[in-house]
Amino acid sequence: GDSVTQMEGPVTLSEEAFLTINCTYTATGYPSLFWYVQYPGEGLQLLLKATKADDKGSNKGFEATYRKETTSFHLEKGSVQVSDSAVYFCALSRQGAQKLVFGQGTRLTINP
Amino acid sequence: GAGVSQSPRYKVAKRGQDVALRCDPISGHVSLFWYQQALGQGPEFLTYFQNEAQLDKSGLPSDRFFAERPEGSVSTLKIQRTQQEDSAVYLCASSLKRVQETQYFGPGTRLLVL
Repeated sequence: GDSVTQMEGPVTLSEEAFLTINCTYTATGYPSLFWYVQYPGEGLQLLLKATKADDKGSNKGFEATYRKETTSFHLEKGSVQVSDSAVYFCALSRQGAQKLVFGQGTRLTINP
Repeated sequence: GAGVSQSPRYKVAKRGQDVALRCDPISGHVSLFWYQQALGQGPEFLTYFQNEAQLDKSGLPSDRFFAERPEGSVSTLKIQRTQQEDSAVYLCASSLKRVQETQYFGPGTRLLVL
């Protein structure tokens, strides 16, 4: 079945460091790929998405590129801020389907 | 407008009790989803509605779980004879159209079964 695997957390970085959170997936066909973020005390919010191979999703300085050849959708940010501290979830939605399949989440803490 | 709202935000139940969790989706959203999130895990799909029709209930873990959306707006997730393994956060999400639209999530209901 479809699945998403994220790098294990927690991840702790200093402010202005470079961030990568790895995400790989298993799915038939060409799924859409998503990154959701959950800030402390808040609900899940869509951060970015990509719907076909080689698409790059971007938002709030975060980027992720849909790599069909490596079945990956790694999240990157060039300079993180304390306010980026949150739990990040990678997810997929198979073509023609509705439900999201999530990874286990990666907790990110940014220290000043 | 207002986002997805869920109530109650917290629920403590004794094992064997029935519980009902409510979701108010964003007005006009056709699709509604329920997910279950265990502690330290990602959300897992439970069921999906398109308007009032329940089109996919493949993720419901047992026949103790039942969901409805009778008028195509508010939805209720009911868990009968709760067990300790039902303890989790239950998330509701809605989207405007039918397929592959962005899902907007509510804050969740945290259920603790003692």
